[in-house]
Amino acid sequence: SQKIEQNSEALNIQEGKTATLTCNYTNYSPAYLQWYRQDPGRGPVFLLLIRENEKEKRKERLKVTFDTTLKQSLFHITASQPADSATYLCALPMDTGRRALTFGSGTRLQVQP
Amino acid sequence: EPEVTQTPSHQVTQMGQEVILRCVPISNHLYFYWYRQILGQKVEFLVSFYNNEISEKSEIFDDQFSVERPDGSNFTLKIRSTKLEDSAMYFCASSGVAGANVLTFGAGSRLTVL
Repeated sequence: SQKIEQNSEALNIQEGKTATLTCNYTNYSPAYLQWYRQDPGRGPVFLLLIRENEKEKRKERLKVTFDTTLKQSLFHITASQPADSATYLCALPMDTGRRALTFGSGTRLQVQP
Repeated sequence: EPEVTQTPSHQVTQMGQEVILRCVPISNHLYFYWYRQILGQKVEFLVSFYNNEISEKSEIFDDQFSVERPDGSNFTLKIRSTKLEDSAMYFCASSGVAGANVLTFGAGSRLTVL
């Protein structure tokens, strides 16, 4: 089944800067990849989905890229704000033909004012 | 905005006791899920449910666990005989049928086994 690697170290950046988070996966190439936000003690919240035939997807200050050759997705938050501080999770189908998603361990983002 | 609701928000139980966690998925969603997150660890898939039966399950979902949709709105997770290592946050999620599987999660039920 799919394995996901996200940088387990927290990312600390200054307000207004761009945060870039990385998601690497092994094994099969998924049809799509998703990013979720999780606040402490809360359930994950869906942010963006990118399909295998899309190189880039944007939503407001968020941008996701998907490189199926590198087996990597990058998640960018531009003009970051302290309210963006959270853990960001990468998720993809567990295996070919399966609907259930497997999640990465997430990267904690801390935006300093 | 439609949401997934879970009860209880926190349950404390003694080892060996049975626990039932309840969820009300979004009304027009047809796929239902349980995930768990042990403190400090990642969100792990337990089971998915579609058309009144289990569609997928993980190795974690052993005979101690069961799921049920007892009526048109509730979706439950039962742990028959809780163990200390069952202490975790349990998240219910639901998704629609079409397209990619975007999950809407509930706020979670924190289970503490003593």
